[in-house]
Amino acid sequence: DGGITQSPKYLFRKEGQNVTLSCEQNLNHDAMYWYRQDPGQGLRLIYYSQIVNDFQKGDIAEGYSVSREKKESFPLTVTSAQKNPTAFYLCASSIIGGWQPQHFGDGTRLSIL
Amino acid sequence: DAKTTQPNSMESNEEEPVHLPCNHSTISGTDYIHWYRQLPSQGPEYVIHGLTSNVNNRMASLAIAEDRKSSTLILHRATLRDAAVYYCILRVQGGANSKLTFGKGITLSVRP
Repeated sequence: DGGITQSPKYLFRKEGQNVTLSCEQNLNHDAMYWYRQDPGQGLRLIYYSQIVNDFQKGDIAEGYSVSREKKESFPLTVTSAQKNPTAFYLCASSIIGGWQPQHFGDGTRLSIL
Repeated sequence: DAKTTQPNSMESNEEEPVHLPCNHSTISGTDYIHWYRQLPSQGPEYVIHGLTSNVNNRMASLAIAEDRKSSTLILHRATLRDAAVYYCILRVQGGANSKLTFGKGITLSVRP
């Protein structure tokens, strides 16, 4: 079955540590996205990419980095510069086009030790 | 980005129809209306979208006002599995920035 796989499901970060969240899709979608969700809130866009080797900052990119070396993969690194990283992180992908729906993974929940 | 306004919450009885409203008074002519829903501890799931005409699919119906300043997501027979947060989102047609702007959504509770 086609879909988006995020791993791990739960992740713990120590102070001063960088952690990387994995996102893989086999839907052959060109566009991929990372969102952050805090409790009781909607999703906020961190980064998005519409083509391999290119990506754009979203609304809250500070303290995060991404890469897009392959069409199917879009990993997110939460750096030590992100002072409040505890959140639910969601990856999505879509065909490019304003009306095309985005398909989401099941998320990674990141907590601070 | 044009904004949407939704009630915070709504309750429904199982097997009854549910009408979830959304106001988008600043919508532009090229904005699509999208609905997503999110079950607890899961990623959002696409439900339906429309531009001007009412739309039906296997999950729901979308009724769009003639002036497009409001829309209603209709679940024809609510089940317990429909309890979720429902997001109404405007998306620019062909926009280079393809992000979805999520508000807090409307929390639907379904009573057995």
